[in-house]
Amino acid sequence: AQKVTQAQTEISVVEKEDVTLDCVYETRDTTYYLFWYKQPPSGELVFLIRRNSFDEQNEISGRYSWNFQKSTSSFNFTITASQVVDSAVYFCALSEFGFYGNNRLAFGKGNQVVVIP
Amino acid sequence: DAMVIQNPRYQVTQFGKPVTLSCSQTLNHNVMYWYQQKSSQAPKLLFHYYDKDFNNEADTPDNFQSRRPNTSFCFLDIRSPGLGDAAMYLCATSRTSTGYEQYFGPGTRLTVT
Repeated sequence: AQKVTQAQTEISVVEKEDVTLDCVYETRDTTYYLFWYKQPPSGELVFLIRRNSFDEQNEISGRYSWNFQKSTSSFNFTITASQVVDSAVYFCALSEFGFYGNNRLAFGKGNQVVVIP
Repeated sequence: DAMVIQNPRYQVTQFGKPVTLSCSQTLNHNVMYWYQQKSSQAPKLLFHYYDKDFNNEADTPDNFQSRRPNTSFCFLDIRSPGLGDAAMYLCATSRTSTGYEQYFGPGTRLTVT
């Protein structure tokens, strides 16, 4: 079963519009971690944020904000006032604590964001 | 300063000709990972090292091997590349195994002719 679902495959927005990327996860663990990564056309995955399962505080970092809701198993990501440099693939990922504490990341399929100037 | 370095950035090899990709890190992280990423797909974990302990994913083909001679370096060996092994190979590191973010290198794009 897919553990991380990112339903929208490609999203196009006009520059300065806001865009929200949905991430729904599935786990039986009580301790887990959620991540967002950005992959620009150059290919390198860039870490954006980590959230553990006990911290439901939303976070804002510049034009980026994240909304974590355990009740709906969602960890959504919003880019405010999008810019062309935001064009990238964005991956949501889940890491479950597990018995051996491994850090295997379950990635969603990614959201291709295209910001049109 | 680059923290996870991969060489080469682009590698072309012939069908069946062994190839080695390298990764180095300046973060002194305990864990190093190798991922394979094909076009329009999410990265797929091949294996990882926790210090010297090697952990292979169950579905990683035997054709793929890895070496970690020291904390800083990790190598991916593809013994007999097939056309289906053409992909981006990403190296990543994390501080320990549980819950820490992974830092990725720029990747090596492998072409098999």
